[in-house]
Formats: sequence, structure tokens, C-alpha cells
Amino acid sequence: GENVEQHPSTLSVQEGDSAVIKCTYSDSASNYFPWYKQELGKGPQLIIDIRSNVGEKKDQRIAVTLNKTAKHFSLHITETQPEDSAVYFCAAQNNNDMRFGAGTRLTVKP
Amino acid sequence: KAGVTQTPRYLIKTRGQQVTLSCSPISGHRSVSWYQQTPGQGLQFLFEYFSETQRNKGNFPGRFSGRQFSNSRSEMNVSTLELGDSALYLCASSRAGVVTNSPLHFGNGTRLTVT
Repeated sequence: GENVEQHPSTLSVQEGDSAVIKCTYSDSASNYFPWYKQELGKGPQLIIDIRSNVGEKKDQRIAVTLNKTAKHFSLHITETQPEDSAVYFCAAQNNNDMRFGAGTRLTVKP
Repeated sequence: KAGVTQTPRYLIKTRGQQVTLSCSPISGHRSVSWYQQTPGQGLQFLFEYFSETQRNKGNFPGRFSGRQFSNSRSEMNVSTLELGDSALYLCASSRAGVVTNSPLHFGNGTRLTVT
């Protein structure tokens, strides 16, 4: 089955800096890679996703890159703000199975 | 548009009991999937229902079961509770479900504590 590894587990940045979170997956059949943000006491919220036929996708301050050959994908947050502080999860999906990374706790210091 | 609603928010049960959790999806969404979230195991997929039929199932014992009603609302049942079942249980709805890679919309979860 699919195995998703996510790094780092914790990340602390200064407001305005960039943050990068990386995930690797094992199943070459995976074709959909969403990223979720989970704030305390709430469920995960989809922030951006990418499909296997695309190498990069951007939405304002958030971007995701996918390297199918190396089986890794990354989340990039630019100009971080305190409200970006949360736990971020990556996921890899292959139509029948969805596996999540262990999560990255991002702290943005004002 | 109302989001995904899960009830109750908190539950405390004793080992050996059974519990039923409820999930109301976003209007128009026919897929409901369930997940268990724990500090040790992270987010794990339990199962998915689409149009009242279970379409996908994760690697959980048969004590975990679910169903979906004609209005797309879903319930999850856990029988013979164990201490290790203590977790945040999340449901997510989507238009067409995990199989089609439709974006998932999560509820805020039910926090189950087994004593």
C-alpha cells in the first residue's frame, strides 16, 4: 500500500519568511496530492491540490510542486503570517486509497 | 452553504460499550468518508460511502462499521470499544468521492474518549 512521509514534523519561521514542507510517496499509481491545514479544534481544510499531470500549481501565497519521477511533492508558503500557524498534512491518493503524512506543525512568529 | 456537521462533538464511553457517530454532508455531496486521527497513528482512512453503498474500506477491524442513508447522511458505529479507539473521528464529504479524487470537505470531528 501507499506510504507517505512528511518532513519536517515541526517548523518555526519568522513572519514574512517562506516555509517549505516536503512529502514523499511510495505508490507510483498515486495521482492526486492534496494539502490540508488543520487549526486547533477544527477539521482539516483543503488549501491546495495537484494532480499527477501537473508539475506546479500556485494560489496566491501558496504553491505546490510535484516531481513524479522522484515521487515527492512540496508545499511552499511565501510571506508567512501568524494566521498561517497550524498543522499541515499532505496526502497521496490513487483512486482507491488515500494516505496522509504525519503532519507538520508550523509556527509563524510575529 | 452549510459545511459538514458532525455530532456529537465529544463523547466519553467505557470499554466494551458501543458508540454511534453522525455526519451530515454538504448539500449535494453524495460521498461521505470517515477517518480516525490519533497522535500516534495520524490520520487514517476508515471507509467511504457513496449513494448508500460502501465503496472503499481502510485497514480497520470489523468492529468499525458505517452506513449511509438516502439523504447522504452517514453514521459510523464502533462496537466493543477498546482504550485504543480513543481518537478524533472525522468525516468528510465530496461530490463524487475518493475514487474520483474529488476535493474533500471535513467536519470538525467527534472526540471519543474510552475509559
